[in-house]
Amino acid sequence: NAGVTQTPKFRILKIGQSMTLQCTQDMNHNYMYWYRQDPGMGLKLIYYSVGAGITDKGEVPNGYNVSRSTTEDFPLRLELAAPSQTSVYFCASSKTGMNQPQHFGDGTRLSIL
Amino acid sequence: GQQLNQSPQSMFIQEGEDVSMNCTSSSIFNTWLWYKQDPGEGPVLLIALYKAGELTSNGRLTAQFGITRKDSFLNISASIPSDVGIYFCAGLYNNNDMRFGAGTRLTVKP
Repeated sequence: NAGVTQTPKFRILKIGQSMTLQCTQDMNHNYMYWYRQDPGMGLKLIYYSVGAGITDKGEVPNGYNVSRSTTEDFPLRLELAAPSQTSVYFCASSKTGMNQPQHFGDGTRLSIL
Repeated sequence: GQQLNQSPQSMFIQEGEDVSMNCTSSSIFNTWLWYKQDPGEGPVLLIALYKAGELTSNGRLTAQFGITRKDSFLNISASIPSDVGIYFCAGLYNNNDMRFGAGTRLTVKP
């Protein structure tokens, strides 16, 4: 099993550009999450989804959008990239609830210059 | 509020020593999770705790869910070089708000 797969692994964007970070999981998990991790800090929840068609804001949603059209995929979109969005982004999934162990992808390192 | 304070920030220990780290908060959490993160990878779950007072082991790792539900600790016994990494606590608040500590960076000298 591949688990949680994130693409791309690295990306450099210019201020104002847009991009979509891809995340897919093959474990048939209902819950999916997007986090950002800034240097020396813990992860902060951006958005999460409890199932296809349902998304909710986390702790730091501003500047991001998500969609969940299928169980497997949970893309994260940056519409107008800003330097403050330079970070490492992690996608994760869990089977049936936020209190269940989360399986993480290997991250996308995003720099905005 | 829901902020998690994880300590220590870093530890430098000799191989074979025991390690202890903890997370505290002023808020009550329903679930505590401990993760380890290696460089360039996502966090991997070590231990999950669901009840106040619960004490759970995973090999040389032991974690406890504090009685007050506002804290948790992780112990590693007889450390080995592959224990090197960053350890994160995570707490679930109100069933839909997951918070992470800032991490404890562990270095083990052979």
